[in-house]
Amino acid sequence: EPEVTQTPSHQVTQMGQEVILRCVPISNHLYFYWYRQILGQKVEFLVSFYNNEISEKSEIFDDQFSVERPDGSNFTLKIRSTKLEDSAMYFCASSGDGHTQYFGPGTRLTVL
Amino acid sequence: ELKVEQNPLFLSMQEGKNYTIYCNYSTTSDRLYWYRQDPGKSLESLFVLLSNGAVKQEGRLMASLDTKARLSTLHITAAVHDLSATYFCAVDTDGQFYFGTGTSLTVIP
Repeated sequence: EPEVTQTPSHQVTQMGQEVILRCVPISNHLYFYWYRQILGQKVEFLVSFYNNEISEKSEIFDDQFSVERPDGSNFTLKIRSTKLEDSAMYFCASSGDGHTQYFGPGTRLTVL
Repeated sequence: ELKVEQNPLFLSMQEGKNYTIYCNYSTTSDRLYWYRQDPGKSLESLFVLLSNGAVKQEGRLMASLDTKARLSTLHITAAVHDLSATYFCAVDTDGQFYFGTGTSLTVIP
């Protein structure tokens, strides 16, 4: 069964450093999303992406964040200058119909 | 600010019992989703509700949506231990997704 994959599973970085989180969506899906979940808290929407451009973004998704689909299969989230409060689990999701979303296993980001 | 409230936040129930989780939201929307998350794991889509009065059922779980009341329910019938997890509702309003705080369900044998 097709699934969404994410790499790395755990990323440790120093405050102020740039990180790139990678996702491989399900191959025939056209809608992509990034979410984050701070440990033990609710899931927060970051951004949605369709037809090679951002569809919607939340207030959290400020200038420090960017998304890209560099090669037609990968979908990346870049955080330019990480802060302590960026420490969270980041989930990528993809959808074929814009409604049912399939989530990846997540990348745990730890900012020191 | 849009609010999505779930109750209860914690639910401990015996196997075989029925219970309902409630999801209230503060804005107009006719798109609501339910997800399951096991400890330390990712989210799994359970139900997609796209209109007022929508009802979906899968196994022991049934979800419904009342857009006029801004309320969705997730009903559990004859709970079994395998249903122990955290359940989130999420509202889609103009393409922005707002999640509830989650309901941590523990089913006791």
